[in-house]
Amino acid sequence: DIQMTQSPSTLSASVGDRVTITCRASQNISSWLGWYQQKPGKAPNLLIYRSSSLENGVPSRFSGSGSGTEFTLTISSLQTDDFATYYCQQYSSSSPYTFGQGTRVEIK
Amino acid sequence: QVQLQQWGAGLLKPSETLSLTCAVYSGSFSDYYWTWIRQSPGKGLEWIGEINHTGRTNYNPSLKSRVTVYVDTSKNQFSLKLTSVTAADTAVYYCARSRIVDRSPYYWGQGTLVTVSS
Repeated sequence: DIQMTQSPSTLSASVGDRVTITCRASQNISSWLGWYQQKPGKAPNLLIYRSSSLENGVPSRFSGSGSGTEFTLTISSLQTDDFATYYCQQYSSSSPYTFGQGTRVEIK
Repeated sequence: QVQLQQWGAGLLKPSETLSLTCAVYSGSFSDYYWTWIRQSPGKGLEWIGEINHTGRTNYNPSLKSRVTVYVDTSKNQFSLKLTSVTAADTAVYYCARSRIVDRSPYYWGQGTLVTVSS
């Protein structure tokens, strides 16, 4: 299986901060990566697909980049609604489509 | 507006079979993959498997011997069966709609908590 490693596990930030979360794949997954936001008791919500494509309805302060084995999710100016847990997921041709362990973004 | 509504038994005993169904309201059933994902405190998010409208499936090898995903296109529903459950299968189970080209799930069901306990 392809292992996905996110860093950091927890991130403390303030409203207005620029936030970056990293996801590393154990092998080349090209651009087959998505980013999700999850709030307690809710299903994950897709933010970014194919590494850098913004899902419909997602605010433009979210952006994704990377290819191969290293990827980043950036929130340009953190808003109150963004305090949540974020996951990456790879869906290269080599299933299973594995997730990272998550990054919790909390209020500083 | 696409909606996925799921249901199934929430409390099982060890060795029983988990059975969940997901109904799709609105949107085409044939242009996507239909996915099951689970989330447990110990293992985070885990992709279980997927199916398309023709019945083509793809399973997580770690669960493959126990998992069946099948589709009923006449009802716009797809289902999950997981046999011989143990406490390790306790999780919130989600159904989701995924794109064909890239398998990112972008419409999700509400989730069903399944607890396995004697």
